[in-house]
Amino acid sequence: DSGVTQTPKHLITATGQRVTLRCSPRSGDLSVYWYQQSLDQGLQFLIQYYNGEERAKGNILERFSAQQFPDLHSELNLSSLELGDSALYFCASSAVTSGRGGEQFFGPGTRLTVL
Amino acid sequence: GENVEQHPSTLSVQEGDSAVIKCTYSDSASNYFPWYKQELGKRPQLIIDIRSNVGEKKDQRIAVTLNKTAKHFSLHITETQPEDSAVYFCAAVGGGADGLTFGKGTHLIIQP
Repeated sequence: DSGVTQTPKHLITATGQRVTLRCSPRSGDLSVYWYQQSLDQGLQFLIQYYNGEERAKGNILERFSAQQFPDLHSELNLSSLELGDSALYFCASSAVTSGRGGEQFFGPGTRLTVL
Repeated sequence: GENVEQHPSTLSVQEGDSAVIKCTYSDSASNYFPWYKQELGKRPQLIIDIRSNVGEKKDQRIAVTLNKTAKHFSLHITETQPEDSAVYFCAAVGGGADGLTFGKGTHLIIQP
């Protein structure tokens, strides 16, 4: 157990809908990262928040957004869902930014299926 | 941005033999290189990492080497065991970017 929690474990929804994925980082970790894993794209970095502020953006679509709350939990919002958004979404946390060598610990993931 | 290439995509070795997975990266400013192991349907788990000021790091049967000049790093697993069967990912980060850039993964199969 990494100490990072994610809810829900599974999510099934229809095209065009909007969903919210939730992540709680390890106690004391200030950085939260979101990753998408799919068969064709592999593991891709989406976005990072550090202590409530957006820190870095990766391959995140404009239909997707995220935020980190004062208690440091984070939510990833996916809207106007398409079939291709079906994937495993991971949250990871670290105590410092990885640019300074901080280890990232991954949560169990949320499997999103868009029908 | 950073680009990480990983080879091979599939590696089959006999139990007890060694396995080597190789990665190259493109951004010379990258300074942190972790390796993750992922079992089917599970989360990636950090198994070893190396920073750019170190050339080699070892943890029991696992070792990682880094060649900054050539911009490549490798994972070495010795005395492989059935529980080593999984998908292994290399990653790189640094140069002002904080998100991990992953390789495509290597499916390691340990033959009994």
